[in-house]
Amino acid sequence: QQPVQSPQAVILREGEDAVINCSSSKALYSVHWYRQKHGEAPVFLMILLKGGEQKGHEKISASFNEKKQQSSLYLTASQLSYSGTYFCGTEKSGNQFYFGTGTSLTVIP
Amino acid sequence: NAGVMQNPRHLVRRRGQEARLRCSPMKGHSHVYWYRQLPEEGLKFMVYLQKENIIDESGMPKERFSAEFPKEGPSILRIQQVVRGDSAAYFCASSRGQGAGETQYFGPGTRLLVL
Repeated sequence: QQPVQSPQAVILREGEDAVINCSSSKALYSVHWYRQKHGEAPVFLMILLKGGEQKGHEKISASFNEKKQQSSLYLTASQLSYSGTYFCGTEKSGNQFYFGTGTSLTVIP
Repeated sequence: NAGVMQNPRHLVRRRGQEARLRCSPMKGHSHVYWYRQLPEEGLKFMVYLQKENIIDESGMPKERFSAEFPKEGPSILRIQQVVRGDSAAYFCASSRGQGAGETQYFGPGTRLLVL
C-alpha cells in the first residue's frame, strides 16, 4: 500500500539538479509532496491532482503520470536549504493517506 | 493565525503508564489525522477523525490505542500501558475538508519516550 520512492538517498552539490520518484501499485487520486527536516514536522510543498500538475515553489516542481501511477519531484539549482527528507503522500479510495518510503536529500557546498 | 498545535512536545513514560497526546487543529479545520514516525522511518497513518466521529482507524493497533475528537477541545490520542516499542514521534495533521486536493498541515509532533 505504501508508495515506493527512489532514490532512497541522494547527495548533491549546491546548484545541481535532482529528481525524486514516487510509485504506487494502486490507482491514485492525488499526490502530495512534503519535506521534513530532522526533528521537525513535515512541511507541505505541493499537491498534484489527477490530470494536472501544480508548482508550489519556483525551483521545485512536480509531475503526475496517472497511467503509470507515478509522480516525480524536480529540484533544480539546489540550495543548502533543500536538504531534508522528501515524502510523497497519496490518497486512494477511501480515507487513508499513505506516505512514501522517503528520500533523504543532502546538499553540500 | 495559529497553525496546528500539539502538546506536550516531549513525553517520557515508564512501561505500563498511560500517554495522552493532544492536537488542536488549525482554525477552520474539522478533519484530524494522526501519524506515527519511528526513528529514520516514514510516517505511518494511524487514524482519521472528524468532530465527534472516527472515520478511519485502520492504521491503529487493535489494543491499547484509542483516539477521539470531541465537539469541544483538542483531539486526543491515548496509549494505555505503554511499551518500549511505542517510543516514536506522533504527528497530527489537520485539513479543512476531505477528498482529493485537501492539504494536510502538520503539527510539531510529540516525541514519546518509553523507559
